[in-house]
Amino acid sequence: QKEVEQNSGPLSVPEGAIASLNCTYSDRVSQSFFWYRQYSGKSPELIMSIYSNGDKEDGRFTAQLNKASQYVSLLIRDSQPSDSATYLCAVNAGAGSYQLTFGKGTKLSVIP
Amino acid sequence: DTAVSQTPKYLVTQMGNDKSIKCEQNLGHDTMYWYKQDSKKFLKIMFSYNNKELIINETVPNRFSPKSPDKAHLNLHINSLELGDSAVYFCASSRANEQFFGPGTRLTVL
Repeated sequence: QKEVEQNSGPLSVPEGAIASLNCTYSDRVSQSFFWYRQYSGKSPELIMSIYSNGDKEDGRFTAQLNKASQYVSLLIRDSQPSDSATYLCAVNAGAGSYQLTFGKGTKLSVIP
Repeated sequence: DTAVSQTPKYLVTQMGNDKSIKCEQNLGHDTMYWYKQDSKKFLKIMFSYNNKELIINETVPNRFSPKSPDKAHLNLHINSLELGDSAVYFCASSRANEQFFGPGTRLTVL
């Protein structure tokens, strides 16, 4: 059974701080990793994808992947109240697999 | 607008009824999915179709039947609705491994 674990939170950070969201996964052959943002009552929105070890930056977002530790994280710099949402980590299996396994999400609150 | 769309957005119905949810994508993707998100917000894959062929069929009651008339459409038909079917159902489509979600259909079974 493939598992994706996230701390459910809520994680509260002050405006302007760095928010750090973490995710671990159980399937060693996983090759593709994604972060989705879901506002209350809305659908998940893809914000970052990462496929190789190291860091990937996109604006205020940085995804970090460590396949040896089976760990992926998302850093949000200069957090804004508009970043308040649930962040879902998703992992798929090896090449050719269409299936994503989602974590239960971490709820982030950015306090003005 | 290029997007994944679903109808209806809200569906309220009585136990025992049969209902359908429709999904369409104009992104040119080959693969489409149905997910269920329960009250605890856990998002779980139900089905996936690639070029009209069923490729993922998770452990879902056989009251749920997907149908893909063409690769831009994936519909979900649910027979004999039960209280536990109340949830938000999301359709998604993918380019390579990146999945894009529709707005969701909130199903309430009374």
